[in-house]
Amino acid sequence: GENVEQHPSTLSVQEGDSAVIKCTYSDSASNYFPWYKQELGKRPQLIIDIRSNVGEKKDQRIAVTLNKTAKHFSLHITETQPEDSAVYFCAAEKGGGGNKLTFGTGTQLKVEL
Amino acid sequence: GAVVSQHPSWVICKSGTSVKIECRSLDFQATTMFWYRQFPKQSLMLMATSNEGSKATYEQGVEKDKFLINHASLTLSTLTVTSAHPEDSSFYICSVPDGYTFGSGTRLTVV
Repeated sequence: GENVEQHPSTLSVQEGDSAVIKCTYSDSASNYFPWYKQELGKRPQLIIDIRSNVGEKKDQRIAVTLNKTAKHFSLHITETQPEDSAVYFCAAEKGGGGNKLTFGTGTQLKVEL
Repeated sequence: GAVVSQHPSWVICKSGTSVKIECRSLDFQATTMFWYRQFPKQSLMLMATSNEGSKATYEQGVEKDKFLINHASLTLSTLTVTSAHPEDSSFYICSVPDGYTFGSGTRLTVV
């Protein structure tokens, strides 16, 4: 089955700096890659996603890149703010939607003033 | 994505009792729903895929007789933790495939 690895497990940045979280997946058939933000005690919230026919997607301060050949995808947050502090999870899914997600192990992001 | 409601948001039960958790898809007809478990400071682990009108598909290592799943309609799936023990204490959360939206989660504490 699919295996998703995520690094780093913790990340501390100064406010205004950029943060990058990286994931790798094992199943070349995976074609949908969402990123979730989870605050303590709350549900994961989808923040951005990318499909395998696209190499990069951006939404304001958040961007995701995908390298299908290397089976890598990354989350980039620019101009970080204290409210960006949370746990971020990557995930992978194959089949074009409607199938189960396999999650990475999570990254605790802390944005310091 | 869909709007997903989960109830209860938290529950405390005694060891040996059963607890039922409901997941409702309010604006999306879900033939499939997913149930995850999340231990503190860990990732979400898929427990099972709930299928409307048929048996759930359980992930390897998940006891189907302990975690009973019923998906009787296109808007409701339930997870029953039977004979709960302290090690079952966790955050249980459902999801529907429309945008992979999650319910609000249920914090189960078994004492």
